[in-house]
Amino acid sequence: NAGVTQTPKFQVLKTGQSMTLQCAQDMNHEYMSWYRQDPGMGLRLIHYSVGAGITDQGEVPNGYNVSRSTTEDFPLRLLSAAPSQTSVYFCASREVGTGELFFGEGSRLTVL
Amino acid sequence: KNEVEQSPQNLTAQEGEFITINCSYSVGISALHWLQQHPGGGIVSLFMLSSGKKKHGRLIATINIQEKHSSLHITASHPRDSAVYICAVRVTGNQFYFGTGTSLTVIP
Repeated sequence: NAGVTQTPKFQVLKTGQSMTLQCAQDMNHEYMSWYRQDPGMGLRLIHYSVGAGITDQGEVPNGYNVSRSTTEDFPLRLLSAAPSQTSVYFCASREVGTGELFFGEGSRLTVL
Repeated sequence: KNEVEQSPQNLTAQEGEFITINCSYSVGISALHWLQQHPGGGIVSLFMLSSGKKKHGRLIATINIQEKHSSLHITASHPRDSAVYICAVRVTGNQFYFGTGTSLTVIP
C-alpha cells in the first residue's frame, strides 16, 4: 500500500517555465488537496477536490491549476512559475470515515 | 490573522521528560488534528480529535471545545520524538487551518 505518492521530490525552474507536480493515492479517498509550506507559516491550502471532476480553490490558489479526472490522481500545475512560488508542496488525501489525513513526502520547488 | 496558534515555537527537553505542546484556535471546528513532521521528511497524522482525549503509546492528545484549546503530551520523551509537531483544525466544509508548528528537540 503506497499511500500518497508525490513526484518529483525536487525541482528547479526558471521564471516563466511551467510544470506539473504529480500526486497519486491508492486508498480510494474522495478528498485530495494541495498545500504549500513556507518558513514561519503554517501549511496553506492551494486547491482541493472532493471527488473526480470536482475541484475548488483554497486560501492561495493564484498561479496554480488543478484537475481531477480520476479518484487516484490530483496533479498541480504551475502555469508560469514565479520566484514567489518557491516552496515545499504537499499533497494530502483524507479518509471520509475516520477523517484521518494522509500526506505525501513533499516536493521542494525552487524558482530562479 | 492566525486562526491557529501553537506554543511554544521551540522546545528542548532532556530524554525522559514529560512534554506538553499547546494549540489554541479561534474558529469553529469540526475536528482537530495533530501531525508530526521529521526534518526533511513527510508529514504523519498522529491524532484526530473532536472531543475528549486520545492516547497512542506515549502520546496523549486532549481537546477542550469550549475553551478552543488542545494539548499534545509526550510521556518519557526520547530523541526519536525530535520533530516538528503541527496542530491543524478542520472548519466547516473542507477548509483546514494549520499552526506554524512546534519544533521539539529531545537531548539524550
